[in-house]
Amino acid sequence: DADVTQTPRNRITKTGKRIMLECSQTKGHDRMYWYRQDPGLGLRLIYYSFDVKDINKGEISDGYSVSRQAQAKFSLSLESAIPNQTALYFCATSDPGRGQGVETQYFGPGTRLLVL
Amino acid sequence: GQNIDQPTEMTATEGAIVQINCTYQTSGFNGLFWYQQHAGEAPTFLSYNVLDGLEEKGRFSSFLSRSKGYSYLLLKELQMKDSASYLCAVSGSARQLTFGSGTQLTVLP
Repeated sequence: DADVTQTPRNRITKTGKRIMLECSQTKGHDRMYWYRQDPGLGLRLIYYSFDVKDINKGEISDGYSVSRQAQAKFSLSLESAIPNQTALYFCATSDPGRGQGVETQYFGPGTRLLVL
Repeated sequence: GQNIDQPTEMTATEGAIVQINCTYQTSGFNGLFWYQQHAGEAPTFLSYNVLDGLEEKGRFSSFLSRSKGYSYLLLKELQMKDSASYLCAVSGSARQLTFGSGTQLTVLP
């Protein structure tokens, strides 16, 4: 069983539509992240959450919103999708490392989004 | 802010050794990570360095010099399945990861 799951895995939508991407984890990690990946640009952080109800903006949060209602779930919304939000979206989780100061992030399988 | 540079592409031969370099400039440093990503798949964790020196994990080793803002990933006894993108990522003062654009490694027979 996958530790970090994302739904849907693929999504096609139209400009102006609202869509939600879901992330669930069974790793028991407090920290969760949403990234987008575009060819040649690497992974860029959209939002992150260190605990339930804790929300922090990342590098490219404009046009996105998130919700963290439970430890295991972190959802990403595009309120009004636009074509340049076409990308591969990854959710990730991490554990503060039990005081060791090293946090490894573990990624879900990704959601491929196409906005027409 | 943070800036991470790594080569865009590299090619090597099966059975050979390849070194992928990464240089970084960061405000605060809490570790450097290497991830492997096959096309269309999730990045998977390979290794991390917090202190200067070499960390070895089987065919993979990673080196860090904090004073030079430099790391490399060394892959030995290359196999065809090692063809992938290799991502260098730095954990900064807020413990968020900033990723480089990735190095696409092609292993030829």
